[in-house]
Formats: sequence, structure tokens, C-alpha cells
Amino acid sequence: ETGVTQTPRHLVMGMTNKKSLKCEQHLGHNAMYWYKQSAKKPLELMFVYNFKEQTENNSVPSRFSPECPNSSHLFLHLHTLQPEDSALYLCASSQGSEAGGGDTQYFGPGTRLTVL
Amino acid sequence: AQKITQTQPGMFVQEKEAVTLDCTYDTSDPSYGLFWYKQPSSGEMIFLIYQGSYDQQNATEGRYSLNFQKARKSANLVISASQLGDSAMYFCAMRGHNTNAGKSTFGDGTTLTVKP
Repeated sequence: ETGVTQTPRHLVMGMTNKKSLKCEQHLGHNAMYWYKQSAKKPLELMFVYNFKEQTENNSVPSRFSPECPNSSHLFLHLHTLQPEDSALYLCASSQGSEAGGGDTQYFGPGTRLTVL
Repeated sequence: AQKITQTQPGMFVQEKEAVTLDCTYDTSDPSYGLFWYKQPSSGEMIFLIYQGSYDQQNATEGRYSLNFQKARKSANLVISASQLGDSAMYFCAMRGHNTNAGKSTFGDGTTLTVKP
């Protein structure tokens, strides 16, 4: 496997379910990100991890819980979601803050989440 | 604060023609990077091209080139010899050198349709 992978690619869940999204990067990067992309809305940064430490939580509701056990893996745990949480969730990775302005993010294919 | 503006919600181009997608930005960082991404209907964000603010020459990657005009704060993407597979959403993004990891700013995107 190369690049950034995400599983599952599609997920349908009820509001009372608990599920997790998984992201894995094979690029040797130190930073990982979760973004939310809703229809007709700009890309929204949710969480950032740099060297496994969370450096950004962009006022995300607590029903979204990130976990970064190591620099290669990132999870997004979901519970008691709302229908408005239905969106494309994109994971990305980059070298990290040391790369400065040239820190290119590489994205995974995304998980299309539908909350019923 | 950083801001990216993409003023063209949608663009059409004839196959084999060149097309320019506009991007203007605003930042207080003296050093920064500018990026373009392509997002096909499948959802994955594909990195296309990067331009550093102190790079003397405009970046080029195959059929993609970045028309960087620093004084005008513009970073337009030029796609030469358009192909049907270029039909997608295109996002302009930037990251300041002094910005913490993750503070990339994305524009709202431009939908490009290539007509046969």
C-alpha cells in the first residue's frame, strides 16, 4: 500500500450507533489531519496531530473523538451523530510543522458518511 | 489570518484548449506556500502543484503551471491541452511558514467541465 488509505470508503449509521473511521499513511509523515467536506460548503479542518500530539481542535463537537496511536495511524471515533454530520471525511498527512510553508498535504480517498 | 478566494464557481473549456483557474490570497506571513488540488467526483483530493512565495520561477508540473503574481497576490492554475479527465473540482490552498502545522487555508473551489 502506498500513500494515504482510509476505511471504510462508505458508511451508513444510525444516530445511536458508534463507529470508527480509520486512516493510515505510508509516506513517513509526522502530521495527520481530519477534514469534513459537506455538500456546498468549504473544506473544514477538524483535527491536527503533529508527532502524535493533537495541535488543533477546530471547535469540533465531542461526538467526534480523534485518536492517533502513532504517526502512521489516525482514527475518528463517532457516536450519537446527527443527520447534519453526513459528509465526506477526508484524512491527510504531511511532513509536519518543520516543513514550514512548503508542507504539502496528501489526502486519502475519503469516507462518505451518511447518518440516518 | 489567511484567506483564499476563488471567484469562479464553475468553468467550461473545450477539450485540447488551455484554461486558467483563478486564485487570490491574503496573508500576513512573509513566507508562505501555495497549493492546488484536484478533486474528481470520487472524492479524493489529489495534489497537483506547489509554489513557494520566494520561488523565482513559476512552478510547472506536466500540463499544470502556476501563474504566480506576488504583487497582485494571485496564484492562478493554468491547465494546458485540457483532457476529459480534467473535469473535476479544483481547490487553491495556502500555508504560512510561521503557521502551526495544520493551518492550511482552502478556497471554495472551482468546478471545471471539459467539453468534447
